[in-house]
Amino acid sequence: DTEVTQTPKHLVMGMTNKKSLKCEQHMGHRAMYWYKQKAKKPPELMFVYSYEKLSINESVPSRFSPECPNSSLLNLHLHALQPEDSALYLCASSPGPFGEWNTEAFFGQGTRLTVV
Amino acid sequence: KQEVTQIPAALSVPEGENLVLNCSFTDSAIYNLQWFRQDPGKGLTSLLLIQSSQREQTSGRLNASLDKSSGRSTLYIAASQPGDSATYLCAVFGVVFGNEKLTFGTGTRLTIIP
Repeated sequence: DTEVTQTPKHLVMGMTNKKSLKCEQHMGHRAMYWYKQKAKKPPELMFVYSYEKLSINESVPSRFSPECPNSSLLNLHLHALQPEDSALYLCASSPGPFGEWNTEAFFGQGTRLTVV
Repeated sequence: KQEVTQIPAALSVPEGENLVLNCSFTDSAIYNLQWFRQDPGKGLTSLLLIQSSQREQTSGRLNASLDKSSGRSTLYIAASQPGDSATYLCAVFGVVFGNEKLTFGTGTRLTIIP
């Protein structure tokens, strides 16, 4: 099983809503990532969990909050988003620990988020 | 800061032709380089992974090369087909300011004309 599963596939939310994106992998990977991708742009890294330790891209606003309940699950909590946050949100995982032979990344199909 | 550039940004070729996509990166201290394919509105599908100690990887009609010292990779697609139409992204995995990070290139949008 080389799948990274993201739910939901599509999400429309208002600016006052609270919602969560979910990501799951059962490959035993110890690193998981959230990326944001705007139309016709490459993905940009938001957060990395490596062995449950969080690294943050400091340009990401605090209305995005990641959570890693265990090594197979990764959530992204959304609160008070803005219309410019509308994008494709991608989850990925890689084996870890980091080194030449453990950093192949596997991506989910993404959640298309629209903020209205 | 690692910067990854892909040339060309867009490419259209007739079906059956061979083609080359280019990727360049500024910091050669990488663990590996990965080529992905992305269909419109979809996630990323991994095509090929080249470890930093390797120079080449092949999968079917695809061949990727890596010259780490010059900061370059190429993706060669043989006998192109309309189903190859997609955006192709290269990404390098390295350590940036103490954090492990996959940095993406700007992408090449490929159209194969039947």
